[in-house]
Amino acid sequence: EAGVAQSPRYKIIEKRQSVAFWCNPISGHATLYWYQQILGQGPKLLIQFQNNGVVDDSQLPKDRFSAERLKGVDSTLKIQPAKLEDSAVYLCASSRGGFGSSSYEQYFGPGTRLTVT
Amino acid sequence: AQSVTQPDIHITVSEGASLELRCNYSYGATPYLFWYVQSPGQGLQLLLKYFSGDTLVQGIKGFEAEFKRSQSSFNLRKPSVHWSDAAEYFCAVGESSRNTPLVFGKGTRLSVIA
Repeated sequence: EAGVAQSPRYKIIEKRQSVAFWCNPISGHATLYWYQQILGQGPKLLIQFQNNGVVDDSQLPKDRFSAERLKGVDSTLKIQPAKLEDSAVYLCASSRGGFGSSSYEQYFGPGTRLTVT
Repeated sequence: AQSVTQPDIHITVSEGASLELRCNYSYGATPYLFWYVQSPGQGLQLLLKYFSGDTLVQGIKGFEAEFKRSQSSFNLRKPSVHWSDAAEYFCAVGESSRNTPLVFGKGTRLSVIA
């Protein structure tokens, strides 16, 4: 089966500009996550979707970040305006969801490396 | 709240030597535990996972990990390291009761020397 797809792989922007990232999860996976990974740290959750609904966005800086998963499949994460501290790798992950331990296993995409200058 | 501690930021081992990467977690109930590997410029690849049952779990690429509830640990081991194992390794914990985001440690960077 195809893995989690993300684009673009790399993006360089100036501060105060806007940027958008796209994620297409594994087919049939109901749960989608966006994580932010700052250099030298582990990934940290930004937002979790179950189908097209938001489950957890408590860590999302809502003054500048937004995300949507309108049809319950692919998702877009946007930053507007970007700050220097937003430089990071943005990882998308998906899981089958539902019940049973195997449904919790998360599969990660290759990530988008954002550099804000 | 859940948390994960990986005490070693960077480890260097010789090719062919054994490896142990440490991971300690904080979680009230029985956790779901994971080890992921990340090569430069790549996403995270799952090495192994523990949900329940046998506390010694086998993973891909010859890795294994042992869940020790009394020590709140889930250390990753490999008997003989290959140069291609050089990467960043992340331990993560999830809640066993529901489909929740993972909480990751800060990672351990593994270097392999000849």
